[in-house]
Amino acid sequence: AQKVTQAQTEISVVEKEDVTLDCVYETRDTTYYLFWYKQPPSGELVFLIRRNSFDEQNEISGRYSWNFQKSTSSFNFTITASQVVDSAVYFCALSEDTGNQFYFGTGTSLTVIP
Amino acid sequence: GAVVSQHPSRVICKSGTSVKIECRSLDFQATTMFWYRQFPKQSLMLMATSNEGSKATYEQGVEKDKFLINHASLTLSTLTVTSAHPEDSSFYICSALITRLYNEQFFGPGTRLTVL
Repeated sequence: AQKVTQAQTEISVVEKEDVTLDCVYETRDTTYYLFWYKQPPSGELVFLIRRNSFDEQNEISGRYSWNFQKSTSSFNFTITASQVVDSAVYFCALSEDTGNQFYFGTGTSLTVIP
Repeated sequence: GAVVSQHPSRVICKSGTSVKIECRSLDFQATTMFWYRQFPKQSLMLMATSNEGSKATYEQGVEKDKFLINHASLTLSTLTVTSAHPEDSSFYICSALITRLYNEQFFGPGTRLTVL
């Protein structure tokens, strides 16, 4: 079974629109870590955020915000007032306490149209 | 933050040749490094876990003799694609585990391999 599901394969928005990227995870561990990465066309993964399972506080960093809800096993990512530079593939990932392997979602390709 | 480098960033080779990719942790020591493979428009797939001073652990379906991994020091892991074929063309990414506290991995910039 897929441990991390990103149901949205591709999303296109017009610049300045808000967009939410969904991430649903599955784990039996009580301690785990969730991550979001951005992969621009250059290919290099850019770390965006890490969240551990005991910290359900939502986080805001500039135009980026994350909504972590353990009740629905979701860790969604919202970009406010999107910009062309936000165009990239975004990956959600899970790391369980019982191991150090990363489980990546299939990624969401975001295109921001000027 | 921690920096991981990869060399080369791009490599084009003829079918049948071997290619070595280096992954270095520049400002920290990493006892554990990981190698991923990414095909176009797909996610990262873990190939193997590289542990300093011991044999690598390969994921199911990854040929050990095809993808040789050596982690000879705390700052360097190498992946050698032996007798490369066009189907080995892919984007290879390494990462280094910096702390077991958060299971956080720092990723290298990737190596794009094209086998002609």
